[in-house]
Amino acid sequence: AQSVAQPEDQVNVAEGNPLTVKCTYSVSGNPYLFWYVQYPNRGLQFLLKYITGDNLVKGSYGFEAEFNKSQTSFHLKKPSALVSDSALYFCAVRDRNSGNTPLVFGKGTRLSVIA
Amino acid sequence: GAVVSQHPSRVICKSGTSVKIECRSLDFQATTMFWYRQFPKQSLMLMATSNEGSKATYEQGVEKDKFLINHASLTLSTLTVTSAHPEDSSFYICSARAGTGKQETQYFGPGTRLLVL
Repeated sequence: AQSVAQPEDQVNVAEGNPLTVKCTYSVSGNPYLFWYVQYPNRGLQFLLKYITGDNLVKGSYGFEAEFNKSQTSFHLKKPSALVSDSALYFCAVRDRNSGNTPLVFGKGTRLSVIA
Repeated sequence: GAVVSQHPSRVICKSGTSVKIECRSLDFQATTMFWYRQFPKQSLMLMATSNEGSKATYEQGVEKDKFLINHASLTLSTLTVTSAHPEDSSFYICSARAGTGKQETQYFGPGTRLLVL
C-alpha cells in the first residue's frame, strides 16, 4: 500500500525566512514523488517532482525538495519565503511499479507567510 | 506544463437534478483521468479512475450509479452527479496523467464547486 504523511497541519514563517514543509512516504517499491500547491477555491498546481536522478529537485517559484531514501522523506523547501507563498501544499506519491494507479495524497499543510 | 480545463467552474442546482462536469486535457492526450472530491479544509479524496474507452474504476464507498463517469475520447472525461442531494455539495477536481516514465506528471483542473440546494 502507498501512503503519505504530512505531519504538520500548519506552518507559519516570517517573510524572508527559509521554509520547510515536511513529507514522508511509504511505498513497496521505488517512488514517484510530487508536490502541489492549492490556492483558495482553485485546483492543484504542479510544483515539482522526483522520478529518478538527482535527489535535489528544483521546481516552480523557487521551491525545491530533497528526496531522502533512507528517511523516506521528500521535504519541500524554499530559501526565502514570500507572502504570496501562503497556500495549501500537498505531497503525493505513486509506486513506480504499480501500473496505472493514481497518486496518493497527504492531508495537506497550510503555509502562512507573515509579512 | 500541460493544461487541464473543467467546466463549469461553479454550479448551483436543485435537489434531485443531475449535473454534468466536463474535464478536458487541452494540449495532450490522456488515456487516464482521475476524479477527486475535496471537502473544506481536507485533502483530495479519489473517487474514480477514468479510462478512455472502458469502464471507470471506482474507489470503495463511491456509488457508480450516483457518479457516472464517461471517458469517450482521449481528451474528455465527464462526471455526472445524478439525482444530486445537498450532501453531494463539494469541490470536484479532475486530473489527467501526461507522459510516462521520467516524463510522467499528473495535472489538475481548476475544480468545480457544486452546491445542491
